[in-house]
Amino acid sequence: DIVMTQSPDSLAVSLGERATINCKSSQSVFYSSNNKNYLAWYQQKPGQPPKLLIYWASTRESGVPDRFSGSGSGTDFTLTISSLQAEDVAVYYCQQYYTTPFTFGPGTKVDIK
Amino acid sequence: EVQLVESGGGLVQPGGSLRLSCAASGFIVSTNYMSWVRQAPGKGLEWVSTLYSDGRTYYADSVKGRFTVSGDNSKNTLYLQMNSLRDEDTAVYYCARDPFSNGWYDFWGQGTLVTVSS
Repeated sequence: DIVMTQSPDSLAVSLGERATINCKSSQSVFYSSNNKNYLAWYQQKPGQPPKLLIYWASTRESGVPDRFSGSGSGTDFTLTISSLQAEDVAVYYCQQYYTTPFTFGPGTKVDIK
Repeated sequence: EVQLVESGGGLVQPGGSLRLSCAASGFIVSTNYMSWVRQAPGKGLEWVSTLYSDGRTYYADSVKGRFTVSGDNSKNTLYLQMNSLRDEDTAVYYCARDPFSNGWYDFWGQGTLVTVSS
């Protein structure tokens, strides 16, 4: 199984500042035949289901604010919130869908400083 | 509007069974890949099972042989039959849609809580 790790476990950022979350996979999730990274990001607020933010490592889901961006390739990925808003307080998960079982990272909790 | 509504959760003793349902609206379940993902209290997300549109099924090793995923086209509903339940199966169970059969999930239900305890 591909193991996903995230760092940090939690972070606190001032409103309007940048938040950066890292995700690492135990093996590459890049598929050379289509030049795509099989990596998604989700946001989960307390008491709610996860919400899809990013897929193919950097493609923003429809309706997701452009302050959310994804980058990286191979085994190392980053989710960036360019200007943190109060409504962004949540836990963020990365997920690989390169191979079954699809696996999630342990999550990164984002709070306001 | 796409909606997924889970039901069927509850308290069950170890070794018992439950059947979860996920009623869909706004799209056709049988033409999509549909998955169950669970989240133990205070923990992260764990993929459990997927029903492919061609009828193939896949399971996490932790539930293989105990859980069965299926669909009812007439009711546009996804099911998860859970047998031989263990304490470690305690979790909120979400159904989720994989819109393009790639592996990410664009719509999730609100979840149903399964508690396995004596």
